[in-house]
Amino acid sequence: KQEVTQIPAALSVPEGENLVLNCSFTDSAIYNLQWFRQDPGKGLTSLLLIQSSQREQTSGRLNASLDKSSGRSTLYIAASQPGDSATYLCAATNAGKSTFGDGTTLTVKP
Amino acid sequence: EAQVTQNPRYLITVTGKKLTVTCSQNMNHEYMSWYRQDPGLGLRQIYYSMNVEVTDKGDVPEGYKVSRKEKRNFPLILESPSPNQTSLYFCASSLGGVNEKLFFGSGTQLSVL
Repeated sequence: KQEVTQIPAALSVPEGENLVLNCSFTDSAIYNLQWFRQDPGKGLTSLLLIQSSQREQTSGRLNASLDKSSGRSTLYIAASQPGDSATYLCAATNAGKSTFGDGTTLTVKP
Repeated sequence: EAQVTQNPRYLITVTGKKLTVTCSQNMNHEYMSWYRQDPGLGLRQIYYSMNVEVTDKGDVPEGYKVSRKEKRNFPLILESPSPNQTSLYFCASSLGGVNEKLFFGSGTQLSVL
């Protein structure tokens, strides 16, 4: 059974800092790895999707990497802003089944 | 506007009273799924559907039913709700396959008294 772990559970940084969120998964047989953002009381918004054959994806200040052999993915956020404050979740998907991590709650202080 | 629509947004009910949470998507997506989110337990998959009339269990299917009679709709049915089904529920859809970028609805907060 797939298990997904995210470290740290919470992170507080000053505005402008670069940061890395970590995601690890136990079963490397995945179709893709996705990173999501969730604001309080809201649904999830997909940030980046990395297919199993890919190594990384970039969107603006976000960069996500995938290393299937080690069962790890990272989300790099450059020049963080207060508007980046949210919970970030990763999910490993295989043939319809998605397993989510518990998320990292990020606070960016002005 | 491309979206996944869930209804209702909030629901309070009593133990044993059957209820249905609706989910509809307008993106012609093959794949749809239901999740529940609980503090300390994270987001867990209940059921998913790869296409019309094709459904399968996720990690926590007990106490839930689903049906996929049309491509755009994927209702979640609780035949006899219990207090341990009090949770925040999300519906999601995607094109399917390796490009399974998931689009989520806004959620349904269910309280079973």
